[in-house]
Amino acid sequence: ILNVEQSPQSLHVQEGDSTNFTCSFPSSNFYALHWYRWETAKSPEALFVMTLNGDEKKKGRISATLNTKEGYSYLYIKGSQPEDSATYLCALKTSYDKVIFGPGTSLSVIP
Amino acid sequence: DGGITQSPKYLFRKEGQNVTLSCEQNLNHDAMYWYRQDPGQGLRLIYYSQIVNDFQKGDIAEGYSVSREKKESFPLTVTSAQKNPTAFYLCASSILTQSYNEQFFGPGTRLTVL
Repeated sequence: ILNVEQSPQSLHVQEGDSTNFTCSFPSSNFYALHWYRWETAKSPEALFVMTLNGDEKKKGRISATLNTKEGYSYLYIKGSQPEDSATYLCALKTSYDKVIFGPGTSLSVIP
Repeated sequence: DGGITQSPKYLFRKEGQNVTLSCEQNLNHDAMYWYRQDPGQGLRLIYYSQIVNDFQKGDIAEGYSVSREKKESFPLTVTSAQKNPTAFYLCASSILTQSYNEQFFGPGTRLTVL
């Protein structure tokens, strides 16, 4: 059974701090990696889709990198704001129609 | 506005009863999915469907059933055979492409078995 792991499970940072967390996955069976942000009382929303080794994506203060050879992706948030508080999910696409989600990293940004 | 709707938002069920959760999308997506979330765990796939009148079991299909009679609709029935049905249920849809299939999620239904 393929497993996607995320660390840390939860994170508390002060407003203005930069932070990062990790998604680890088996490097075989790789099609794509997705990052989602899931705010409380809302639906998960896609942040990035990454398909190539070495990919780097950026959206505002949030960026992500991908290493398919060693099986990890990092998500970075620069200058965290309270509105960044959410659970961040990564999801590995392993085939045409199969996606496996990690357990998520819960981020709390303290004003 | 295009999107995915799920109803109801909260659902209470007596033990031994079947219950159906609704999921509708107007995004014209081919694929639809049902996930279950339990505390401290990732989203686990229950069933998915790529085309009308066809669906496949996910990792935890036992005790659940689905139908896909219309492209827009993918209802999930939680049967009395599901041993631990209390959970948060998310429906999603996506286009299907070779390289990626970003999923769009509904707001979820929280099911509690009394």
